[in-house]
Amino acid sequence: DAEITQSPRHKITETGRQVTLACHQTWNHNNMFWYRQDLGHGLRLIHYSYGVQDTNKGEVSDGYSVSRSNTEDLPLTLESAASSQTSVYFCASSETEWTDTQYFGPGTRLTVL
Amino acid sequence: GENVEQHPSTLSVQEGDSAVIKCTYSDSASNYFPWYKQELGKRPQLIIDIRSNVGEKKDQRIAVTLNKTAKHFSLHITETQPEDSAVYFCAASPPYNFNKFYFGSGTKLNVKP
Repeated sequence: DAEITQSPRHKITETGRQVTLACHQTWNHNNMFWYRQDLGHGLRLIHYSYGVQDTNKGEVSDGYSVSRSNTEDLPLTLESAASSQTSVYFCASSETEWTDTQYFGPGTRLTVL
Repeated sequence: GENVEQHPSTLSVQEGDSAVIKCTYSDSASNYFPWYKQELGKRPQLIIDIRSNVGEKKDQRIAVTLNKTAKHFSLHITETQPEDSAVYFCAASPPYNFNKFYFGSGTKLNVKP
């Protein structure tokens, strides 16, 4: 079955380290999104992509980067992890850039010590 | 850009009662309004959505209403059950932003048996 997966599901790292969170979808969706979820803030958009080689900044992009080298994957990199980046990270995908449902991955819980 | 406000932040009802969650949005161009349910430790999952060309949509015990003039939309859950307990998120999506979602801050629904 087509699906969207994230790895790792849990990660503990130290301040200043580089961390990469993986997101993989098998629906052949053009659009992929990264959100972070914190208590009291709901879901906030970090970065998004509408296709291969396309990336865009969301509302909370500082300290994060993404790259899209194929349709299936959108890895999220924290260049130098900070304690403020402790959060739950969700990846999502949707088929087209028009009005379309986004489907979420299972999430990655990241703790930065 | 779009701004979505969601109320209430917490809602407690007795099993069998109805629950209503309301969201307001700022951009009259928004034309797609999904609702997601997120159980504890799980991913957000779409439960119902509505597009701006209709005023109401129902799916069994769940309904969504849209008032474009007032720029608000609401989720109605009838005959609530303990398994309805979760956090519910609304979102709005303007067509010019190519499938970017603007999420409300969430409502924690507790259904007491």
